Amino acid sequence: GDSVTQMEGPVTLSEEAFLTINCTYTATGYPSLFWYVQYPGEGLQLLLKATKADDKGSNKGFEATYRKETTSFHLEKGSVQVSDSAVYFCALSDTYNQGGKLIFGQGTELSVKP
Amino acid sequence: NAGVTQTPKFQVLKTGQSMTLQCAQDMNHEYMSWYRQDPGMGLRLIHYSVGAGITDQGEVPNGYNVSRSTTEDFPLRLLSAAPSQTSVYFCASSADRASNQPQHFGDGTRLSIL
Repeated sequence: GDSVTQMEGPVTLSEEAFLTINCTYTATGYPSLFWYVQYPGEGLQLLLKATKADDKGSNKGFEATYRKETTSFHLEKGSVQVSDSAVYFCALSDTYNQGGKLIFGQGTELSVKP
Repeated sequence: NAGVTQTPKFQVLKTGQSMTLQCAQDMNHEYMSWYRQDPGMGLRLIHYSVGAGITDQGEVPNGYNVSRSTTEDFPLRLLSAAPSQTSVYFCASSADRASNQPQHFGDGTRLSIL
C-alpha cells in the first residue's frame, strides 16, 4: 500500500543554518504531496503542497520539489529561525486511494537554538 | 472564521467508559475525517465522511463509531474506552475528497484512558 517515510528526528540546528528534512513515498497512483507543520500544543497546519511531478511548493521560506523519478519530496529552508521549531509531517493523498485520505510520515521534530 | 473546532481539549476517562469527541467546521466542507496521533507513528486515519449521511472506515476504526447527520458536525464516539486509545485525536476537513485539496485541522483532543 501507499506509504511515506521521513528522516528520523529530532533535528537540532543553530539559527540561520540550512535545513533539509528528507521524505520519500510509495504510491500506486498519482499522489499529491504535502508538508504540514505542528507547533507545540496545536493542530497541523498546511505548510506547502505540490500536486504533480516537478512542481515546487513554497511558503514562508520553505520549499519542496515533487521528484517522481526519486519518489521524494524533501523539505528545505535556507536559514532557519527559532520560530521554526516544530514537528514537520510529510503526507500524500492518492487519487486512486480514496482521494482525500492523507497518509502521513512519522514526523520530524525540529529544534532551532539561538 | 473559526475553521475546525474540537471539544473537549483534554479528557481523562476510566477503562470501559464511553464518550463523544465533538468536531464542527464552519467552512461548508464536504469531506471530514478523524485521525489519531501516537508518538513515532504520525497520524493514522480512523474514520472519514465524504458528505452528510455517508461515513466509512479508515486504517484504525476498531473501537470507534462516527455519524454525519449534518455537513458541519462529525462526532467521534468511543464505545468502551481502553488504555490503547490513549492518544491525541485530530479532526480535519477539506472542500472535497479530491487528492489535491489541503485539509484543515482542529487543535486536537488529548485523551487519556486509565
